[in-house]
Amino acid sequence: GEDVEQSLFLSVREGDSSVINCTYTDSSSTYLYWYKQEPGAGLQLLTYIFSNMDMKQDQRLTVLLNKKDKHLSLRIADTQTGDSAIYFCAEANAGNMLTFGGGTRLMVKP
Amino acid sequence: DAGVTQSPTHLIKTRGQQVTLRCSPKSGHDTVSWYQQALGQGPQFIFQYYEEEERQRGNFPDRFSGHQFPNYSSELNVNALLLGDSALYLCASSLGLNTEAFFGQGTRLTVV
Repeated sequence: GEDVEQSLFLSVREGDSSVINCTYTDSSSTYLYWYKQEPGAGLQLLTYIFSNMDMKQDQRLTVLLNKKDKHLSLRIADTQTGDSAIYFCAEANAGNMLTFGGGTRLMVKP
Repeated sequence: DAGVTQSPTHLIKTRGQQVTLRCSPKSGHDTVSWYQQALGQGPQFIFQYYEEEERQRGNFPDRFSGHQFPNYSSELNVNALLLGDSALYLCASSLGLNTEAFFGQGTRLTVV
């Protein structure tokens, strides 16, 4: 079955880069997503990558996809205190049903 | 562009009651999916509606049902509420079945 795994917690200093990792199991995934969730809020779509791509860059965000290892990562450059939140990766099947990881809590220290 | 809107934002119900949650998709979107997010966990897929039909369903009992209207808005109904149904219920919309999904702010349901 499908299972998406993420580490629980990451702490970085303001100005450093953050790298959040994710592993997934469904090789037929069409899209892989990164969402951000702040306390008490819904999910904000940060970025996504098609399964036939290796890398996508969008301003401070870089997504890397290793299909062979089923590994996805999100790099946030110049991390700011406003980036503190929970980050979820999710894989989408052909009908756009999303399977989420458990989330990584990012704490940015000033 | 209003984005995905959900109502109500918060709701308190008693065990055994029934609840209806509502979702309006992002302008131009025609597909709505519902997710349940328990505290401290990632969202779990409940079901998806497209062209007013349920297209996919996750591992949720029949107490969870839904509907999509001709204007693409959707309702999630939960019957015979259990304490374990307490969660944040999220609605996501997309254009068709294979484009990026945008989420609303959710409805926080508390069952007492």
